[in-house]
Amino acid sequence: EPEVTQTPSHQVTQMGQEVILRCVPISNHLYFYWYRQILGQKVEFLVSFYNNEISEKSEIFDDQFSVERPDGSNFTLKIRSTKLEDSAMYFCASSEATSDAGELFFGEGSRLTVL
Amino acid sequence: KNQVEQSPQSLIILEGKNCTLQCNYTVSPFSNLRWYKQDTGRGPVSLTIMTFSENTKSNGRYTATLDADTKQSSLHITASQLSDSASYICVVTLYNTDKLIFGTGTRLQVFP
Repeated sequence: EPEVTQTPSHQVTQMGQEVILRCVPISNHLYFYWYRQILGQKVEFLVSFYNNEISEKSEIFDDQFSVERPDGSNFTLKIRSTKLEDSAMYFCASSEATSDAGELFFGEGSRLTVL
Repeated sequence: KNQVEQSPQSLIILEGKNCTLQCNYTVSPFSNLRWYKQDTGRGPVSLTIMTFSENTKSNGRYTATLDADTKQSSLHITASQLSDSASYICVVTLYNTDKLIFGTGTRLQVFP
């Protein structure tokens, strides 16, 4: 069964360092998303991406964050200068249609720990 | 403010028993309501999706209901199994956006 894959599964970094989290969405999906979940808290929407551009972003997704689809398969989330509060599980998701109508498939997540 | 509240926060049941989880939301307007299962440290897995016009949706032993008038939903799990131990999250999609609004989840533990 097709699935969304994410790497790394866990990354530890020093505050101020740049981090890139990688995702391979399901191959025929057109809509891509990043969500995050701080330990013990709700899953929160970060950004959606369609047709090689951001379609929507939340207030969390500030200038320190960026997303890219560098080739036909990968979808990345970059955090330029990590802060302690960026420590969270980051989930990538993809769908055939928009969130309005389509089912989202989530990856297993990348746990980011900022020291 | 668009919010999704769930109850109870946690629930312990014995294997084979049924249970019902509750969700109340203030998201408006909304496109659809979903229930996800999330194992600890894993990604959410979709159980059901309902539009505002649907009252009930089943997926095996999982049955979700929706009352769009009272803005309430429930997830009923029948004949629980040990593998049902997980967090169950109610998620509402804001109309005409990509934004899914997640509840805090109900943590279910099924004991033998």
